[in-house]
Amino acid sequence: GAGVSQSPSNKVTEKGKDVELRCDPISGHTALYWYRQRLGQGLEFLIYFQGNSAPDKSGLPSDRFSAERTGESVSTLTIQRTQQEDSAVYLCASSPAGTAYGYTFGSGTRLTVV
Amino acid sequence: RKEVEQDPGPFNVPEGATVAFNCTYSNSASQSFFWYRQDCRKEPKLLMSVYSSGNEDGRFTAQLNRASQYISLLIRDSKLSDSATYLCVVNEYNNDMRFGAGTRLTVKP
Repeated sequence: GAGVSQSPSNKVTEKGKDVELRCDPISGHTALYWYRQRLGQGLEFLIYFQGNSAPDKSGLPSDRFSAERTGESVSTLTIQRTQQEDSAVYLCASSPAGTAYGYTFGSGTRLTVV
Repeated sequence: RKEVEQDPGPFNVPEGATVAFNCTYSNSASQSFFWYRQDCRKEPKLLMSVYSSGNEDGRFTAQLNRASQYISLLIRDSKLSDSATYLCVVNEYNNDMRFGAGTRLTVKP
């Protein structure tokens, strides 16, 4: 596609439910990031995928959070037993191989846990 | 992960002013550098890359100082539309990206 696509754009869920967020990177982009951004706050790193290497999961805040990516395609971020503090915008970004390129962000999924 | 540090601001400047932001990074092996702009409730968007020789794009000038491990962004003749949060990004080996927390700029009439 022309850009990074994220779905859903908005999600309201009840506390305790599981949610799954999806990111479709730009075709051919080997690197993919998930970030979380709470209202008025900076970007909080969650997880990083680079090609077929083991992902860097060091930013995942708890074992309720997990993410998968098959090859260089779609990635899903799953949050189990959602809590109110999980409310935030979840941003996905992708990039071609190599360090000379910046990343392109999707427009994010706004998650509200009620 | 606090390898990239920025002054959070806010910077409040009048239209037409010149404003500069600095960003420091801790990893001397960092390979590429960028400034991103994030408008309220929007995703970050690439503003410009930062090259070792410095680079300019209209009213915006970016510079890199590898010896001191900082990058800067200079905005001349500020416009109301420049109001946003400016994010410093440092790209390490293997495309591993580090974001600063951002500097908020408000340009006032």
